[in-house]
Order: sequence, then C-alpha cells, then structure tokens
Amino acid sequence: GQQVMQIPQYQHVQEGEDFTTYCNSSTTLSNIQWYKQRPGGHPVFLIQLVKSGEVKKQKRLTFQFGEAKKNSSLHITATQTTDVGTYFCAGPGGTALIFGKGTTLSVSS
Amino acid sequence: NAGVTQTPKFQVLKTGQSMTLQCAQDMNHEYMSWYRQDPGMGLRLIHYSVGAGITDQGEVPNGYNVSRSTTEDFPLRLLSAAPSQTSVYFCASSYGIGLSGNTIYFGEGSWLTVV
Repeated sequence: GQQVMQIPQYQHVQEGEDFTTYCNSSTTLSNIQWYKQRPGGHPVFLIQLVKSGEVKKQKRLTFQFGEAKKNSSLHITATQTTDVGTYFCAGPGGTALIFGKGTTLSVSS
Repeated sequence: NAGVTQTPKFQVLKTGQSMTLQCAQDMNHEYMSWYRQDPGMGLRLIHYSVGAGITDQGEVPNGYNVSRSTTEDFPLRLLSAAPSQTSVYFCASSYGIGLSGNTIYFGEGSWLTVV
C-alpha cells in the first residue's frame, strides 16, 4: 500500500539553528498537508500544498512540494523554543489521509 | 464551535474490559476517523466513516468497532481491552475525504492504559 516516509525521526537543535524535515511518498500525491503536534497536544493543521514545485512560507517556516509531487519538505529558519513538537506530513491514500511517522524537534536555549 | 470533542481524556482499563471512546463534532463534517498514536509509530488509522451509516476499516482495525448513526457522533468501542491497546487515541473530522485535500481537525486525544 501507499507509504509516506519522514526523516529524520528526531532532531535536536540549539535555539537559532535551522531545521529541516523531509517527506517522501511511494506514489504521486494530489496534495500534501503538514501538521504540528505540541508535546501532550493534538495535531494541528499547518498548510496544504497542491501544485508541483509549490513553495509556501509562514513566517519562519518554508514548505516545498517536489516537482514530481512525491516529496515535500518543511524548513524552519532560526528555530525558537516555541517550535518544539512533532511535525507530520500527510498525503491522500484511497479514502483516508496517510500520515508519516513524524519528525520530533527539540530545541535547547 | 466546540470543534471535535473526545471523552474521556484519561482512562485505565483492566484486560478484558470493554469501553467506548466518545467523539462528537459540531462542524457538520461528513468524514470522521479514529487514529491511534504510539511512540515511533506515528498516527495509524483505525476506522473511518464517510457519512452517517457508512464505516470502513483503516490500517489497524482489529479489536475495535465503530458506528455512525448520526453525522455528529462517531464512537469507538474496545470490545475486550488488551495491553497492546494502550495508546493515545485521536478522533478527527473533515468536510470531505482525504483525497479532496480537506483539512483534518483533531480532537484533544484520549489517553488509554490497559493493565
């Protein structure tokens, strides 16, 4: 079946450093979504990418959708302690949304 | 709007007991689903529903039942709890199914421990 893979599984950075998480799908995606889950919380929608090669920015967060629509990335510039959490990508598979296993980001000040 | 409401937030069960996790949404969403989250495993789909009266299995359905008698409610039943069902459970809803790219809204989660 369809798989959505994310790397790395964990990342620790010093506050102010950049962070990137990568998402790869085994099949071409019509769209990809990104979610953030704070420790002890629930996943919250961040953004959806639809077009091949699309790049979207939300303040310090930059999201990219690959030209082949099989991969995506989330880059955070100058991380802050408020960025701590797990970031999930998700792509449509059949009649459900398939989530990657997530990248857990920790930030030390 | 309350969004997606799950109850209970915390529960301890003994092996073999049954229970129901309640989920309700007030956004008139057609699509509802249940996920479980375990360390290192991400979010795994248990069951989902594309509308009242229609349910289907996800990736890890064994040991769980669901029903969808109304648009608002989507309860998850554990038939005979096992320690392997110790997990965090999330109910979610959206306007449409995943293929349409609609945003999924999650409940706050239910922490279940089976001893």
